[in-house]
Amino acid sequence: DSGVTQTPKHLITATGQRVTLRCSPRSGDLSVYWYQQSLDQGLQFLIQYYNGEERAKGNILERFSAQQFPDLHSELNLSSLELGDSALYFCASSPPGPEGPTEAFFGQGTRLTVV
Amino acid sequence: GENVEQHPSTLSVQEGDSAVIKCTYSDSASNYFPWYKQELGKRPQLIIDIRSNVGEKKDQRIAVTLNKTAKHFSLHITETQPEDSAVYFCAARPPGGSYIPTFGRGTSLIVHP
Repeated sequence: DSGVTQTPKHLITATGQRVTLRCSPRSGDLSVYWYQQSLDQGLQFLIQYYNGEERAKGNILERFSAQQFPDLHSELNLSSLELGDSALYFCASSPPGPEGPTEAFFGQGTRLTVV
Repeated sequence: GENVEQHPSTLSVQEGDSAVIKCTYSDSASNYFPWYKQELGKRPQLIIDIRSNVGEKKDQRIAVTLNKTAKHFSLHITETQPEDSAVYFCAARPPGGSYIPTFGRGTSLIVHP
């Protein structure tokens, strides 16, 4: 168990719908990252939050948004869903280090299926 | 930004053989290089990492080497076992407050009994 909790584990929804994925980081970790992993694809970085503030953006679609709350949990919102959005979505958190965050600990992921 | 290339995409070996996975990175400032193992349907888990101030690190059957001049690093697994079968990802991290691990596309390692 990495200490990073993601809910739900599985989600099936129809095209055009909106869903929210939730992530609770490890205790004490201030950084939260979201990654998308499509079938046979690598880990695509979506967005990073650090202590409640957006720190960096990757290849995140405009239909997607995220936020990190004062208790440091994070939510990834996916709207106007398309079939191609079906993927495994991972959240990771990272502890602070002398030069910034270090190792990333991954949650179990949320498998999103858009039908 | 950082760009990480990983090869091969698939690696098939016989049990007991060695396996080597290679990665190159583009940002010469990157200073932290973790390797993750992802079993089917599970989360990526860190198996070994190396920082730019060392050239090699070993942990039992796993070793990682780093060549900063050439900007490449490699994962070496000796005496492979069927349970080593998984997808392996390399990553590189530049310094600074934002840790955005840029991952390679992954190597599917298959160890045949």
